[in-house]
This record gives sequence, C-alpha cells and structure tokens, in this order.
Amino acid sequence: QVQLVQSGAEVKRPGASVRVSCKASGYIFTVYELHWVRQAPGQGLEWMGWINPNSGGTHSAKKFQGRVTMTRDTSISTVYMEVSSLRSDDTAVYYCAREGLYGSLGNWGQGTLVSVSS
Amino acid sequence: QSVLTQSPSASGTPGQRVIISCSGSSSNIGRNTVNWYQQLPGTAPKLLIYSDSQRPSGVPDRFSGSKSGTSASLAISGLQSEDEADYFCATWDDGLNGRDYVFGPGTKVTVV
Repeated sequence: QVQLVQSGAEVKRPGASVRVSCKASGYIFTVYELHWVRQAPGQGLEWMGWINPNSGGTHSAKKFQGRVTMTRDTSISTVYMEVSSLRSDDTAVYYCAREGLYGSLGNWGQGTLVSVSS
Repeated sequence: QSVLTQSPSASGTPGQRVIISCSGSSSNIGRNTVNWYQQLPGTAPKLLIYSDSQRPSGVPDRFSGSKSGTSASLAISGLQSEDEADYFCATWDDGLNGRDYVFGPGTKVTVV
C-alpha cells in the first residue's frame, strides 16, 4: 500500500533553515507528483508547492518562491522540502501528499511539526 | 486569504443531513474539479471526495459532493458522531502564478 513517511519534529531559531523529508513506498516513485502542504496551529491548510519526482521540476505558491526549495532523491524514493530564513509564523505541521486521481491529494504523510522560536 | 470561501462552521444532530458549501470563481471551481478533505482532530487530512462527486474506496456513501458553476457542496447524510471534523474544499486555480492548488479555509462540523 502507498505510504509516505516523514522525518521527525524540528525546533529552529528564527533565521535558520529546516529540511523535511518524505519517503515514499508502495508505488513507482517517479510516476506521481508530490505536494507540500502546511498547517499553522489552529489554522487551515496552506498549499506550498509540488515536485515532479521524475524530472525534478517544481512549482510553488508565489508566497514561498525564493524561500522554499523542493528536491528529490530517486535512489531512495524520497523528496525533501527546505524552508530558509525561518520566521515564527512558519511554525506549523508540514505534510507531504501524493497527487492522484484527477489532481486530488489521495495519500498523505503523517506530518512534521516545525517550531520556530527564539 | 483563500480564493475559496467556506462557512466556518456547521452543526447537526445524529441522523441529520448537513451541507457544506464552497464558493470560488471562474479561475478555479469554474474550470477545475473540486476535491474535499476531512481532517479529524490531531490527524492528517484524508481525501473524501474527488472530481466533484467521486468517493475513493472506503468512503461511506453518506458523503456526497456536487458542483454547479463556481460553487461546490459536500453533503453528509445520516450524520454520525465520528463525522465531527474539519472539512476543506480544494481545487486548482489557473491564475497569474500558473496553476496553484488552493484550499478553502475549512468548515468545522459539530455533532450536537
């Protein structure tokens, strides 16, 4: 079955960077785009962007362009999302999700809590 | 601010029918299919409805979706206590940034 397993919680200082990983299994890694979605405490879901694991091509929401980098390592079926210049309002649970039927996000990772505090 | 709008809350008693609406525009709902996600407290979102009205395997038929023009709806029939959750609509938006995936702000469903 499809599984997305994310890296563990992180605590960072403002201005630092954080990299979250998402390891895929149960399907052919290069076939489906993988998305990143975040959720601040008590807030809704915010789409950040996607990566094509085959080509490495990416597309991100305008507000994250220049500060978010998405990469992949096909040898270990893993995608990464790095956020730089962290601010306190980047504190959130970050999810990876696999795009599937008709552009929906059918499989989700368990989430990674990133806390940014001085 | 999301380009999609949802009422912040909805409630019903067990067995009732609850309808959640999602409003957008011609650049998103008006030209792309709508998906719905259910998020139970403390868990990752789960795909509930895709392509406006299709249920993934395992989703009870109490949940149904529809779309008309630039609005979409999720109906929960025979409301159960385990349906108490946040529900988010989502679709693709073809705007100035290219093709972005957008979520509505969410509707909290309470079973009273």
